[in-house]
Amino acid sequence: IAGITQAPTSQILAAGRRMTLRCTQDMRHNAMYWYRQDLGLGLRLIHYSNTAGTTGKGEVPDGYSVSRANTDDFPLTLASAVPSQTSVYFCASGSGGTDTQYFGPGTRLTVL
Amino acid sequence: GQNIDQPTEMTATEGAIVQINCTYQTSGFNGLFWYQQHAGEAPTFLSYNVLDGLEEKGRFSSFLSRSKGYSYLLLKELQMKDSASYLCAVRDSNYQLIWGAGTKLIIKP
Repeated sequence: IAGITQAPTSQILAAGRRMTLRCTQDMRHNAMYWYRQDLGLGLRLIHYSNTAGTTGKGEVPDGYSVSRANTDDFPLTLASAVPSQTSVYFCASGSGGTDTQYFGPGTRLTVL
Repeated sequence: GQNIDQPTEMTATEGAIVQINCTYQTSGFNGLFWYQQHAGEAPTFLSYNVLDGLEEKGRFSSFLSRSKGYSYLLLKELQMKDSASYLCAVRDSNYQLIWGAGTKLIIKP
């Protein structure tokens, strides 16, 4: 693994189903983030984790949950998907200092 | 509220120079970032400014004026591969990034 990986690459999901998006980084970054990107809008922060064992809510957390059991993994769960959660989801991790964030390749999710 | 403004779209000619502006109003300021995002791909880091002035990195430069809440990204000697969206983001007082919607740059031969 080099950098950040996300899975799946894309997914079509029926409304009401549960879905977990996976994110793994091998850069030993303390901080990790989940964003959604919608056409015409900036990236919006869903949840973040400053270090393993801690998580926080971002700008648009409703309908999503996260966990951070270790440094490398930061899964995002949609408990009961709704069509408004159709989006491209990016996971990112950040180092100390300037905390430049590095992004995974994204997951394109469609909820029907 | 917090706001980052960038032009939606710009067009420039291969070999020319283009300046992409970003204005911001945020609760606190702890640095400004520029990212490049090609269509269908992830954003990639370009530059970081925390003090006023110009930061130069090859063909790309970024400028910051904190008193004016203003930054620009300057791209020189444009190449076709520079066709992408350019995202401006400000780290606020909570150390979270607030993102602009991005500027789509179209390069014409």
